[in-house]
Amino acid sequence: QVQLVQSGAEVKKPGASVKVSCKASGYTFTSYGINWVRQAPGQGLEWMGWISAYNNNTDYAQKLQGRVTMTTDTSTTTAYMELRSLRSDDTAVYYCARAYYDSSGQPAEWYFDLWGRGTLVTVSS
Amino acid sequence: QSALTQPRSLSGSPRQSVTISCTGTSSDVGNYNYVSWYQKHPGKAPKLMISDVSKRPSGVPDRFSGSKSGNTASLTISGLQAEDEADYYCCSYAGSYTYVFGTGTKVTVL
Repeated sequence: QVQLVQSGAEVKKPGASVKVSCKASGYTFTSYGINWVRQAPGQGLEWMGWISAYNNNTDYAQKLQGRVTMTTDTSTTTAYMELRSLRSDDTAVYYCARAYYDSSGQPAEWYFDLWGRGTLVTVSS
Repeated sequence: QSALTQPRSLSGSPRQSVTISCTGTSSDVGNYNYVSWYQKHPGKAPKLMISDVSKRPSGVPDRFSGSKSGNTASLTISGLQAEDEADYYCCSYAGSYTYVFGTGTKVTVL
């Protein structure tokens, strides 16, 4: 079954880090990239960045540069998103989403056709 | 990078049509034919409804259609059904391998 399964909810204190996982199954992991998108309570969707599962190329949203790191583990077909120096406004549901990449590890399709169910990250003292 | 502008809410009766606009700039919507639309029900993951401005993925009802003119893309739902009540988000490629989402539109079926 083609799916992305995300890790469970997290509660963190301000200043801490969180690492969310996204396990892919049912498709060739390295033929796609994983994008991360978040939704704060009552807010819209916000694109955070992407990583190629083929060669680990990444691109991050400018506002998150320096605080976010995306990685993959091809042996377990899992993508990870780590966010550091957490603030209260990082409280959100974090989604991973698949996009098709070419053989050089660059995006080849410009939409997200498969999504995880989301991981709630709550930042509170 | 600013979010694309969508109307906050729209409503329509069953079998009516609604059109959701998504206004960006010449750096995103106006420069690329890479606008996609997502349907989101509360507590659920977003679902791809339209890719590349007007392509409908397999399994998406043909009452959903997309178009673009200049810096504005649109999603039309023809023949509204109760299950179409959801939030809808547009998303555009914005160059340099980045994306920008719209502000979101809540569609209510009266």
